[in-house]
Amino acid sequence: SQQGEEDPQALSIQEGENATMNCSYKTSINNLQWYRQNSGRGLVHLILIRSNEREKHSGRLRVTLDTSKKSSSLLITASRAADTASYFCATDRSISFQKLVFGTGTRLLVSP
Amino acid sequence: GAVVSQHPSWVICKSGTSVKIECRSLDFQATTMFWYRQFPKQSLMLMATSNEGSKATYEQGVEKDKFLINHASLTLSTLTVTSAHPEDSSFYICSARDTLAGGTSTDTQYFGPGTRLTVL
Repeated sequence: SQQGEEDPQALSIQEGENATMNCSYKTSINNLQWYRQNSGRGLVHLILIRSNEREKHSGRLRVTLDTSKKSSSLLITASRAADTASYFCATDRSISFQKLVFGTGTRLLVSP
Repeated sequence: GAVVSQHPSWVICKSGTSVKIECRSLDFQATTMFWYRQFPKQSLMLMATSNEGSKATYEQGVEKDKFLINHASLTLSTLTVTSAHPEDSSFYICSARDTLAGGTSTDTQYFGPGTRLTVL
């Protein structure tokens, strides 16, 4: 399977704590994207990091990419109960392929 | 940001019937749309790539006669689940790229809210 792996599968933290999720993939990529999904809903695009980038920030989100290890991490700082959701990484191999391969996802629970 | 809609948001049908799900890009044109299915507490699995004006490209293991895809315009793709059975019950999600945006803006996929199909 080309599907990426994410760990942990589930993460439970308290509000105010940081949450770190990791993603590993198998093939070379054009970019890697992180998405959020609330239960039973569609996906919301969070951040895209290109293969020539190592780190990217967006608000409370910080994404790193290590292409030599074929891995990425998503850090959510100062978490809030509203951050409770499933988080997926997705790799985009190249423009010609156009399609995303999703990781297995991390279910994050932030307790008040 | 760009908006993708799906209709219906949920549908319940009897086994053996066919169900059509629509995916529309509301404020951009998309020559390419994608259809995914997601089982409970699992990840998204790509089913097929829908190409405007041509045949869809199906992923390995996806029956093209079972899941009919039509992409008749730059803003609409439809997925028809034919002769649905309980094992087809799932969450179906479409996505689209803004293929006319130019440059690296086409890298972002915009996802619809999903359609929950329950086959009795």
